[in-house]
Amino acid sequence: EIVLTQSPGTLSLSPGERATLSCRASQSVSLNYLAWYQQKPGQAPRLLIYGASSRATGIPDRFSGSGSGTDFTLTISRLEPEDFAVYFCQQYGSSPLTFGGGTKVEIK
Amino acid sequence: EVQLVQSGAEVKKPGESLRISCQGSGYSFMNNWISWVRQMPGKGLEWMGRIDPSDSYINYCPSFQGHVTISADKSINTVYLQWSSLKASDTAIYYCARHGLYSEILTGLDSWGQGTLVTVSS
Repeated sequence: EIVLTQSPGTLSLSPGERATLSCRASQSVSLNYLAWYQQKPGQAPRLLIYGASSRATGIPDRFSGSGSGTDFTLTISRLEPEDFAVYFCQQYGSSPLTFGGGTKVEIK
Repeated sequence: EVQLVQSGAEVKKPGESLRISCQGSGYSFMNNWISWVRQMPGKGLEWMGRIDPSDSYINYCPSFQGHVTISADKSINTVYLQWSSLKASDTAIYYCARHGLYSEILTGLDSWGQGTLVTVSS
């Protein structure tokens, strides 16, 4: 099973600032099948990034993903008020599919 | 528009059985795998397993195998998650989610149901 470790656990930033979230895998993610999701309180997760760097339909271009192998990054270039939420990474290249523990982006 | 609509919240006692559902619409239901994901109160996301609705092939997460059953009825575009004997620790929100597929490339869980809250308490 691939273990995904997200850091930091909490990121305290102001609107307009840049957010950099990390996801590290215990072994290489097959085909770079790494996704990022956003979850707000009381809502289902929403797909942001798939294949490590491809934006899902309708996702603003301030969200970008990068990385390969075992190290992946989600960057939000300029935080908007609606971006304060919890973010999860997930690998879906091998079974069992696994999620990281999440990073909470909160308003400073 | 792709939609996954889940059945409503449930309150059950330990030892009882339960089946919750997830109905897909707005796309060709048999073309995409469906996964179930658990979220315990205040916690992260846990993948439970997935089913191919076209042939009902199932792939369980080892942590959940033997405790839940995933099934599908393709005639009504519905996937199910079932327990034969609930425990208090099964209290959680359960989401179904569609595996995206574009030109033979997997694109993550691209559409999610609204979630079903299952509360197990004596």
